Amino acid sequence: EAGVTQFPSHSVIEKGQTVTLRCDPISGHDNLYWYRRVMGKEIKFLLHFVKESKQDESGMPNNRFLAERTGGTYSTLKVQPAELEDSGVYFCASSLRRAAWGYEQYFGPGTRLTVT
Amino acid sequence: AQSVSQHNHHVILSEAASLELGCNYSYGGTVNLFWYVQYPGQHLQLLLKYFSGDPLVKGIKGFEAEFIKSKFSFNLRKPSVQWSDTAEYFCAVRGSSNTGKLIFGQGTTLQVKP
Repeated sequence: EAGVTQFPSHSVIEKGQTVTLRCDPISGHDNLYWYRRVMGKEIKFLLHFVKESKQDESGMPNNRFLAERTGGTYSTLKVQPAELEDSGVYFCASSLRRAAWGYEQYFGPGTRLTVT
Repeated sequence: AQSVSQHNHHVILSEAASLELGCNYSYGGTVNLFWYVQYPGQHLQLLLKYFSGDPLVKGIKGFEAEFIKSKFSFNLRKPSVQWSDTAEYFCAVRGSSNTGKLIFGQGTTLQVKP
């Protein structure tokens, strides 16, 4: 069984540019999460999809961040325009079934975003 | 607000030494507790988890953790570390009132000297 995959593994962009990160969850996992780790800080929750619906987006920093999950499969996270403080590692995770309680999350390798 | 505190940011041990990494959380209700590990160049993977039942849980690679509800703690232990345990360790909590998001601690980097 393939794990959670993320693309790209590393992205370097200039301030003001746009970047789109992609996450492919484990097949059959309805729940998809995005997290971010800024250097030296803890991993922080961004948002949670159940299938194609946003269940919780309380962690999204501002309206420069847009997440989508087309058809309840893969998800994209777009940052537009990127700012220096957006640099960090963006993790995606997925878990089985709609009821997130009691099911562990499987993490992807992360996308390291560097904004210069 | 929910929070997780890991007591040590950087730990250096010699092989065969015992390990205990502290984790305390702030949350008033029922919780799920996790320890994740990230080995150099690899992605986050689950080390062990507590959902309910026996508060002493055993995970992979000889790790264990004890949930002490009265202390809001979930400390990670290993009797004898190996060089291959060099990694970053994250404690995480998921509260019953939220949708499933994990709240992470700051992480502890463990360096094991051969």
